[in-house]
Amino acid sequence: EVQLVESGGGLVQPGGSLRLSCAASGFTFSSYEMNWVRQAPGKGLEWVSYISSSGSTIYYADSVKGRFTISRDNAKNSLYLQMNSLRAEDTAVYYCARVLWSGYEFLGMDVWGQGTTVTVSS
Amino acid sequence: EIVLTQSPGTLSLSPGERATLSCRASQSVSSSYLAWYQQKPGQAPRLLIYGASSRATGIPDRFSGSGSGTDFTLTISRLEPEDFAVYYCQQYGSSPPAYTFGQGTKLEIK
Repeated sequence: EVQLVESGGGLVQPGGSLRLSCAASGFTFSSYEMNWVRQAPGKGLEWVSYISSSGSTIYYADSVKGRFTISRDNAKNSLYLQMNSLRAEDTAVYYCARVLWSGYEFLGMDVWGQGTTVTVSS
Repeated sequence: EIVLTQSPGTLSLSPGERATLSCRASQSVSSSYLAWYQQKPGQAPRLLIYGASSRATGIPDRFSGSGSGTDFTLTISRLEPEDFAVYYCQQYGSSPPAYTFGQGTKLEIK
């Protein structure tokens, strides 16, 4: 079964740090690009960060640039999000999602984890 | 940076009716870069449509996507009880690189 499982969420004080993990199984993780997407309580989806299959290309949303770092370990079938200098507005459910491309056609984010909750509060 | 605006914010319909959801981009978007997702409470989003009009694997044919340029539409031909959810459009933009979502349309039972 193709599956993504996030972990590492929790309660953290403003200014603190947290590292999220996403464990992939059921597919060749090293062949796929990955994203982190978040959803604040009662709000819509917000794209956070992208990483290519090799890890050589990385993008961030302006809202997290300079504070968050995406990475992956293909040998461990794992995706990570290091979050530093956390703010109250970073409070959200964080999802990892597999990205599909075929040539120049974006085929969507076809596999999602169940999400892990990050709460930034004193 | 491209902004996606979805309308209406909330759509109230009855099972069996037709639903038409709109996604408007602030500048032209390649159809190849436009996707739609469904999200139910407490669940992760589910990919419905990619390439503006292609159904993802396992998606019923009552779901269809259309549009080009700045105007895109998700249509559900005959609403089933399980279709009541929030729907998001998404686009990939290259300048700057980003996978932007619309703010969502909530489809509720009338």
